[in-house]
Amino acid sequence: LAKTTQPISMDSYEGQEVNITCSHNNIATNDYITWYQQFPSQGPRFIIQGYKTKVTNEVASLFIPADRKSSTLSLPRVSLSDTAVYYCLVGRMDSSYKLIFGSGTRLLVRP
Amino acid sequence: DTGVSQDPRHKITKRGQNVTFRCDPISEHNRLYWYRQTLGQGPEFLTYFQNEAQLEKSRLLSDRFSAERPKGSFSTLEIQRTEQGDSAMYLCASSLTGTSGPYEQYFGPGTRLTVT
Repeated sequence: LAKTTQPISMDSYEGQEVNITCSHNNIATNDYITWYQQFPSQGPRFIIQGYKTKVTNEVASLFIPADRKSSTLSLPRVSLSDTAVYYCLVGRMDSSYKLIFGSGTRLLVRP
Repeated sequence: DTGVSQDPRHKITKRGQNVTFRCDPISEHNRLYWYRQTLGQGPEFLTYFQNEAQLEKSRLLSDRFSAERPKGSFSTLEIQRTEQGDSAMYLCASSLTGTSGPYEQYFGPGTRLTVT
């Protein structure tokens, strides 16, 4: 499983767009990129998943360059309720699909 | 609410005691996972079931830990002879194979274990 590197913490203000970049230099051909969000005292919540180029859903966008060695989670117009830990995960579609979490990025959204 | 429930939400026990946690996944989900999370760290994989079969166990799961999923529905995680190092949040997640999001797991709220 590819190791991921992401910033330990980020600060933003309400209404701003937040981009969290994750490095995964050793990503394998069959690996997918997945992002989860976790609020204090809650389980993680799936945000978005992608393989290449760009994926968008109602919550976020995921940008993946052609070499796939990094990815960027984009949160449009954040609010205070987006304050959470964001995890970037890389894993292949093997038989278990277990999630391997790093330490994540702690995003603080200020008023 | 993701539809995955865990019981109890909090458990305080003395070192050496046995504890058992329960997870009720989303009913149609055939996969069930257990993770453990300590303060400031991401969750760590412990084990997973497909239906009633336990297919993988992490090396983190010592002999004192056992998990079951009878009839492929709810699951239990038991820790025998608890140690202070077992203090953590124990998270359960479920998913359905064959969906478009193989890494989309639905997590419960967790059981916070404190061993004194």
